[in-house]
Amino acid sequence: GAVVSQHPSWVICKSGTSVKIECRSLDFQATTMFWYRQFPKQSLMLMATSNEGSKATYEQGVEKDKFLINHASLTLSTLTVTSAHPEDSSFYICSARDRRTYNEQFFGPGTRLTVL
Amino acid sequence: QKEVEQDPGPLSVPEGAIVSLNCTYSNSAFQYFMWYRQYSRKGPELLMYTYSSGNKEDGRFTAQVDKSSKYISLFISDSQPSDSATYLCAMQWDSNYQLIWGAGTKLIIKP
Repeated sequence: GAVVSQHPSWVICKSGTSVKIECRSLDFQATTMFWYRQFPKQSLMLMATSNEGSKATYEQGVEKDKFLINHASLTLSTLTVTSAHPEDSSFYICSARDRRTYNEQFFGPGTRLTVL
Repeated sequence: QKEVEQDPGPLSVPEGAIVSLNCTYSNSAFQYFMWYRQYSRKGPELLMYTYSSGNKEDGRFTAQVDKSSKYISLFISDSQPSDSATYLCAMQWDSNYQLIWGAGTKLIIKP
């Protein structure tokens, strides 16, 4: 149990376009989902916390107009990178908190974004 | 000073050895302690989840928490080449669900 999927697993796009990344909890309901960014050989950096049915809470320094997060249901959250630029190229990972186990977070496999 | 300190390694040990991975932290308010394993270009996988002080075993993995010393450890017995990965420690306050991460230790198990 506690499987989280992400789609796509990798994406290449042109500068100026928008990219949507989906995060799904497959076998549990997630009241809270988290979006992280990870640069090579570095730890995870929390970008935002997403609660179902409410606006996401962004970490300091993360542009909410650039990284749009929607948590439409208890099993789906999306991250849209708007007007992507090469500096947005990174590994984006989502996690979901299982409401049954309260504090445990389970991670998706990640999405590698390359902006040309 | 970072809230959570973790040696990035790499730590290289021969197959079959016992591996010890550690993190120290500065905030005594942390209550929940986790160890994640991350393979290259994959998401982190939860290995161990502990609350407060004490030991927890799961197969070849043993997690230890020493709150008095603000020190947590993950032991891997009978290490295998497939254990080669980056191991990240993470912590939470009691009522705050944000994870505070260590830098991750890259572990290499040599056949």
